[in-house]
Order: sequence, then structure tokens, then C-alpha cells
Amino acid sequence: DGGITQSPKYLFRKEGQNVTLSCEQNLNHDAMYWYRQDPGQGLRLIYYSQIVNDFQKGDIAEGYSVSREKKESFPLTVTSAQKNPTAFYLCASSKGTGAEKLFFGSGTQLSVL
Amino acid sequence: AQRVTQPEKLLSVFKGAPVELKCNYSYSGSPELFWYVQYSRQRLQLLLRHISRESIKGFTADLNKGETSFHLKKPFAQEEDSAMYYCALSGTGGFKTIFGAGTRLFVKA
Repeated sequence: DGGITQSPKYLFRKEGQNVTLSCEQNLNHDAMYWYRQDPGQGLRLIYYSQIVNDFQKGDIAEGYSVSREKKESFPLTVTSAQKNPTAFYLCASSKGTGAEKLFFGSGTQLSVL
Repeated sequence: AQRVTQPEKLLSVFKGAPVELKCNYSYSGSPELFWYVQYSRQRLQLLLRHISRESIKGFTADLNKGETSFHLKKPFAQEEDSAMYYCALSGTGGFKTIFGAGTRLFVKA
């Protein structure tokens, strides 16, 4: 079954804790993205990666970090520096260069305890 | 700077009525515009893109560069069209796709 898999579905973070959200794709896509979805604000881009071992900051990268060691995987770490982490996080991928169609995962809801 | 504006947070229409979801954009280059839809308990998915000039589920959207708009239209709304709709913008040759705040469409029986 091809697609994008995000895990976990729900995640809770304690104060001062770093947490990592997983995103895996088996679509053989080059590009991967992380978006944050807040009510009334739509999707805001956190980080994106065009190829393995390369990534760029999006519009709201502060307090987040990513890695792209494998083509299939693009994990997102929400660090303790992110003061308002409660949100729904969406991972997406696209085939290649240019304005390509995005394929989305089912999302991770992160909440602060 | 790139920006996408969807002025309506909620749009409610009766079944069979025409529907138009507004989208305006700001971009200095040549834009690529998309509409994505999220049905209840489903993933966000592409509905249509302007370069395809296609009609999906009866929806169409025309890029108006003069008015910098990409409004989504359907002549006769159906209950199954109830969903969250996002307009999205990407630049030519670029990977960065940005989204509007979204419009929730509610089609009443």
C-alpha cells in the first residue's frame, strides 16, 4: 500500500522535552515537507527537503529541527525551544522539482501536558 | 512575498445552489495554483490545479492574473461537497507551496 505514513497519531509533550514525529514515504518522491495546521490559520510550512541530506527552513522553522538521511524518511523534532507546540502536524511529499502535487500523511496531533 | 488569502472561513449553501470559494494570491513571479480538499476523516488531497484546466467532481477554477484570483466554482452543490477547502500557491521551479487559511464549505439538504 503506497503512501505516506505518519506516527504516532497522537503525541504528548512535557515541558522542556524534545519529541520526534515520524514521516515515511514509499512513493519514491524526492521532496518532503512538514506543515503545521492551526485552526483558522491554514497550513504553515515548517521545513522542506528537496533531496537526501539537504533541507531548507520554511516560514516557521524556529523551535523545530529535521533530518533527511534517507529518501524515504523525514522526521521532525519539536524542541523545547518551541513554546507553543500544540498543533496538528502534516507531512507531505512530491515527485520532484517544480510545482508538483503534494501527497499528505494522516497527521500527528501534538499536545502539551 | 508569496501570500494566499481565502476571505471566507465558512461558507454555507443549500444543495443544488451554485458555490464559489474565493482565493486571491500575491506573487511576483509566474504562479502555480492549486485547490486541495479535506473531507471528514480523510487526508488532505489535491482537488485540481490550474495548469490541468480540468473539472473534478464538477468543480472548476480559472486563474485570473489580472485580479490575482483563483476562485473555485461549482454550479450545483451536493451534500458530499461539504469539506474544508484550501487554496495553495507555488512558484515556477520552486518547491515551496504555501496555503491559505482554508474555507469550510457546508452544503445543507
